[in-house]
Amino acid sequence: GQQVMQIPQYQHVQEGEDFTTYCNSSTTLSNIQWYKQRPGGHPVFLIQLVKSGEVKKQKRLTFQFGEAKKNSSLHITATQTTDVGTYFCAVDNSNSGYALNFGKGTSLLVTP
Amino acid sequence: DTGVSQDPRHKITKRGQNVTFRCDPISEHNRLYWYRQTLGQGPEFLTYFQNEAQLEKSRLLSDRFSAERPKGSFSTLEIQRTEQGDSAMYLCASSQGAGGADTDTQYFGPGTRLTVL
Repeated sequence: GQQVMQIPQYQHVQEGEDFTTYCNSSTTLSNIQWYKQRPGGHPVFLIQLVKSGEVKKQKRLTFQFGEAKKNSSLHITATQTTDVGTYFCAVDNSNSGYALNFGKGTSLLVTP
Repeated sequence: DTGVSQDPRHKITKRGQNVTFRCDPISEHNRLYWYRQTLGQGPEFLTYFQNEAQLEKSRLLSDRFSAERPKGSFSTLEIQRTEQGDSAMYLCASSQGAGGADTDTQYFGPGTRLTVL
């Protein structure tokens, strides 16, 4: 299936600072999804990007899909302590067509 | 609660024992998925069902693992002769399955944390 590399693995910011995580693939992706997992919790769907160059916003979160559909980013403006967690990108497991291959995630720690 | 539920939430077992987990998907969701997640990793796909049919199994799913979804509603995942390497969080997810090849949103349950001693 399709594979994705996610960087950085960890990020520690002060509350109010911005945060960005990147997801990269060597192959063209049909779409990409982003999930958030709070410590001790389960993955929660955030968004799906489908179109080349697509940009979507959810309050302080901005999601972008690259023009070549090989990379994506999630940017959080003015982080809050509620943003703490691990952010995963996920792509289609091309073998099944429906299951997902997840990146290793970026763990975000926000200190007040 | 209309979300995905899993039972039990925690399971501690001795090596060599069999364990069974249950997943109740969101009502009327046609697709059901099992994933495994270890510390510091993203979820890894194990298998998925479209209604009662098991359509895909990952190479991670050894012969000791078996999953069923007999009536197209709840699903069970059984691990026989557990090994210490089976220790992980086992996550279940479901999606509506609107048809076609488009990825539809997966909703995850809280997971079953398995510890094999």
